[in-house]
Amino acid sequence: DTEVTQTPKHLVMGMTNKKSLKCEQHMGHRAMYWYKQKAKKPPELMFVYSYEKLSINESVPSRFSPECPNSSLLNLHLHALQPEDSALYLCASSQVYGPYEQYFGPGTRLTVT
Amino acid sequence: SQQGEEDPQALSIQEGENATMNCSYKTSINNLQWYRQNSGRGLVHLILIRSNEREKHSGRLRVTLDTSKKSSSLLITASRAADTASYFCATEANFGNEKLTFGTGTRLTIIP
Repeated sequence: DTEVTQTPKHLVMGMTNKKSLKCEQHMGHRAMYWYKQKAKKPPELMFVYSYEKLSINESVPSRFSPECPNSSLLNLHLHALQPEDSALYLCASSQVYGPYEQYFGPGTRLTVT
Repeated sequence: SQQGEEDPQALSIQEGENATMNCSYKTSINNLQWYRQNSGRGLVHLILIRSNEREKHSGRLRVTLDTSKKSSSLLITASRAADTASYFCATEANFGNEKLTFGTGTRLTIIP
C-alpha cells in the first residue's frame, strides 16, 4: 500500500471555527509532513515530524497546530484562521534517512470565509 | 529563500514531441527530485538524482544535473496527453533533515 489518505477533501470554515485535517499512511514511514500550496505556486513546507516528534516548524502561525498521535497518523488543527489561509493543504510521508522520495496525499482544499 | 527557479513557466507542445524543462537552485544540494502534479491534486514523485550523478533515466524521462551550474533539466520524450501537468523540481540540502525545497514549477500542456 503506497497511499497517503487525507480527509476531508474539501473544507469550508469561518474565521471563528475550529477544525482538523487528517492524514494517514500505512507504509511504515517515520517522517510525515504538512505543506501549504496556493494556486499556481509550489508547495511550501509547514511542519515535519520525525519518529512522531516535531523536527521542523517553518515559523508557521500558532493558529495552525500539528499533532502526530502515532506513526501512521498526522493531524493539523485549525483555529481562528484568516481568509489568506485558504489553500490546498498537502500531507506527505517518507522514510527518515534519505535520500528518499516523499509520497503525497491528494490534499484538502480549505476555504476560509 | 532557497526556492529554485524553473523555466519555462509554461510550455505547450504537440503530442509526440519532446518536452524539456529546466530548474536552477541556489545552494549546495545532496539530491534533486522531480515531481508531477495534476491540477489541484497531490504530487507524484518521478525521479531522484544524487549530487554525484550527472544523468539518470526512467522510462521516457531523462534528468541531468550540473552541480557546477546549480541546474537540472527534465526531458520527457514522446509526450502523451496524460503528461499534461505541472512539474516541480525539489532540492534536499542536507541529509537527515527531510526538508525539500520546491522550485516554481513548469506548467506543461500536451496538445492532442
